[in-house]
Amino acid sequence: NAGVTQTPKFQVLKTGQSMTLQCAQDMNHNSMYWYRQDPGMGLRLIYYSASEGTTDKGEVPNGYNVSRLNKREFSLRLESAAPSQTSVYFCASSEGPVSGANVLTFGAGSRLTVL
Amino acid sequence: KQEVTQIPAALSVPEGENLVLNCSFTDSAIYNLQWFRQDPGKGLTSLLLIQSSQREQTSGRLNASLDKSSGRSTLYIAASQPGDSATYLCAVSSSGYALNFGKGTSLLVTP
Repeated sequence: NAGVTQTPKFQVLKTGQSMTLQCAQDMNHNSMYWYRQDPGMGLRLIYYSASEGTTDKGEVPNGYNVSRLNKREFSLRLESAAPSQTSVYFCASSEGPVSGANVLTFGAGSRLTVL
Repeated sequence: KQEVTQIPAALSVPEGENLVLNCSFTDSAIYNLQWFRQDPGKGLTSLLLIQSSQREQTSGRLNASLDKSSGRSTLYIAASQPGDSATYLCAVSSSGYALNFGKGTSLLVTP
């Protein structure tokens, strides 16, 4: 009953370093998402993958890349981290598009600090 | 761009009270509206989803209503309990895969 699993839970980076956040779901969902949550800003969509083999930009994609490795896994990469990327990152999945009344299942979050 | 606003930002009530959380959105062309709960340091948990053609949805002590034409939704929590303390987020689906979230209402229910 794992649902959506994110690793790592916490990470501290220096400006300019790179890192990858990993996400895996075991619900056989087609669609996966990466959101960031910042104080006073709410959750904002970074990238999503409607189905295996596809990825699309969300509201705030600059500075990030994603890979849908297979149906289960969707990773988020920061190539050159900046302090503005300090945030809590959430991975989520759904059976299909949210417009089709599909509910998102969220992971526990990854707290990233860029110094 | 769809803007979602939640009022109040924070709320403290004594145990047993009934309470209402408010959500408003600027564009009435929506597919559905969803309410989530977030506990400190945790991810979001889906509570209720209301389709654009529906007026309300109920789950246990929770009742969510939707007035699409006026751009408003309310989440009613009956007989509040300390375990209801959390942040409640409203989100609107206006396109295929994106949800627009409000900033949330932080609820504290005191014993």
